[in-house]
Amino acid sequence: QSALTQPASVSGSPGQSITISCTGTSSDVGGYNYVSWYQQHPGKAPKLIIYDVDNRPSGVSNRFSGSKSGNTASLTISGLQAEDESDYYCSSYTSSTTLVFGGGTKLTVL
Amino acid sequence: EVQLLESGGGLVQPGGSLRLSCAASGFTFRNYAMSWVRQAPGKGLEWVSVVSASGDSTYYADSVKGRFTIYRDNSKNTLYLQMNSLRDEDTAVYYCAKDRGSRLSGASDYWGQGTLVTVSS
Repeated sequence: QSALTQPASVSGSPGQSITISCTGTSSDVGGYNYVSWYQQHPGKAPKLIIYDVDNRPSGVSNRFSGSKSGNTASLTISGLQAEDESDYYCSSYTSSTTLVFGGGTKLTVL
Repeated sequence: EVQLLESGGGLVQPGGSLRLSCAASGFTFRNYAMSWVRQAPGKGLEWVSVVSASGDSTYYADSVKGRFTIYRDNSKNTLYLQMNSLRDEDTAVYYCAKDRGSRLSGASDYWGQGTLVTVSS
């Protein structure tokens, strides 16, 4: 159950778009369309922002979008805003009927 | 309004035991899988365990298999995590989380506020 691979940090200026990658294997990301993304502000519980690769829960801004190609999933945030500064985690269902998270990515809005 | 309220955390010595509870309200508890996810201080999220909606299926991370037991009481709308043989590396904030479906999908749409477990002598 190795963690999915995410960049430790990304940054962007307000109004720009950024993309966070999440790389796994054919036993997790590549094998199932059960990739989720979470936003977590310091001291707070995670918030689901993308599920099943590219679906947004009700109430989540359409500036957040997800995609997948092979063993790598991606989260794109367009029109970057100051309040987007946060930690982001991907997760994937695995062939062992478990869940694995990425190591997390700290997004800095410059 | 969906609410998940964890309790039972605290300070425990290595080798000790602790039981966490998560009281759920605002949704039909018996229809959804429930998970425990933990986060060590300053670290990332780590999935711990899941129980299906009916309670008949449970799965665990390798790091806790054989030491932790997840179960639920659908009559009391409560999720539990029995933690035995605790180790220093089990120190973390433990979150309970509601899945979007009746079995594990990895999409947890509601989370509790977390309860801190500290394993230390």
